[in-house]
Amino acid sequence: GAVVSQHPSWVICKSGTSVKIECRSLDFQATTMFWYRQFPKQSLMLMATSNEGSKATYEQGVEKDKFLINHASLTLSTLTVTSAHPEDSSFYICSVRAADTQYFGPGTRLTVL
Amino acid sequence: SQELEQSPQSLIVQEGKNLTINCTSSKTLYGLYWYKQKYGEGLIFLMMLQKGGEEKSHEKITAKLDEKKQQSSLHITASQPSHAGIYLCGADNTGGNNRLAFGKGNQVVVIP
Repeated sequence: GAVVSQHPSWVICKSGTSVKIECRSLDFQATTMFWYRQFPKQSLMLMATSNEGSKATYEQGVEKDKFLINHASLTLSTLTVTSAHPEDSSFYICSVRAADTQYFGPGTRLTVL
Repeated sequence: SQELEQSPQSLIVQEGKNLTINCTSSKTLYGLYWYKQKYGEGLIFLMMLQKGGEEKSHEKITAKLDEKKQQSSLHITASQPSHAGIYLCGADNTGGNNRLAFGKGNQVVVIP
């Protein structure tokens, strides 16, 4: 399977600031990556599909201007939470699609004060 | 959209005992994925099932997909503390593009 890393593993920021989360595919060239969000004791909710070299596809109800996704290379996708608010506090996980299976990163815990 | 129900929500078993958890879909499953998650960590891929009646095993874990492709079970034989965690089933939403919808998970606790 693919090995996926995320950076940072956790971040605390003030309300109104922007936060960038990186997702790297370490051993696989990924044309497609996915971004999920997980609230405490809830399941993963797909936010968007990140496509290398093109615009991301967002799920219904996810604001594309708030959650900016950039997939500039085959090994890196970034998610920027703009003007973060406390309700954006969550666990953000990315995954890489490899051979019809998704392999997940370790996640990033975002806390907005 | 795909709705996945996982049951039981949580269970506690004695080390060495067998356990079974279930994942039921409201729609036909094009692909069913089982993952394990420790709280606050990423997901570890366990198995993927695609064909009706398919069964796969890895070490002490066996997953099955029923013939109608709407229900999957995951069975652990002789559970160990290392099997503790949250088991999530995910399903391919639209038949091929790998956008996964997940259930809420089965929390498994193994008592030594």
